[in-house]
Amino acid sequence: EVQLVESGGGLVQPGRSLRLSCAASGFTFEDYAMHWVRQVPGKGLEWVSAINWHSAGMGYADSVKGRFTISRDNARKSLYLQMNSLRPEDTALYYCAKDIKAIYGDFVSYLEYWGQGNLVTVSS
Amino acid sequence: QSVLTQPPSVSGAPGQRVTISCTGSSSNIGAGYDVHWYQQLPGTAPKLLIYGNNNRPSGVPDRFSGSKSGASASLAITGLQAEDEADYYCQSYDRSLSAVLFGGGTKLTVL
Repeated sequence: EVQLVESGGGLVQPGRSLRLSCAASGFTFEDYAMHWVRQVPGKGLEWVSAINWHSAGMGYADSVKGRFTISRDNARKSLYLQMNSLRPEDTALYYCAKDIKAIYGDFVSYLEYWGQGNLVTVSS
Repeated sequence: QSVLTQPPSVSGAPGQRVTISCTGSSSNIGAGYDVHWYQQLPGTAPKLLIYGNNNRPSGVPDRFSGSKSGASASLAITGLQAEDEADYYCQSYDRSLSAVLFGGGTKLTVL
């Protein structure tokens, strides 16, 4: 059974940093691209970032580019999101998700499994 | 404002059929990128509902179907049931933005 468990969220002041983690199990982690998607409570889904299977390629939404960094440790079966210079508008539930392909952005790739999400609140 | 446009809400009575549209452009759906649909029940994480325009993962009832034409796609739900009440999101990829896209989401209300 595929499991994705996010952790590391919480309350943080504007301008500070936070690192989210996602522990994966139930599949060969190193074979798939991974994503972070966020959702402001009561609002829609927003793609944040993705990373290819061996970290050779990664992408970011314009809203986080230059502030957030995605990474992965295939040996630990873990995905990370380093969030710097946090803003109140970054407050959201952050989901980790598994792609169906090794390279995201393929004509057919999609987010096959999702974690339960981890809440990040940016407030003074 | 999402690059993929969905109606904010749709509704239907039990047993009826509803459709949810997802309109993109020549740099995403119209460029040949597949459209996928996710269902988000209240208080839960999104779940894959339709992949590759018109394919259902194991366990998804055949009441749910998808289609794609040009730069648009649609999700159809037949035989509406109370448990279908949820938010539905389309998803694709945009080659100009180099970004995964989600539609703004559509709230389905079963009357």
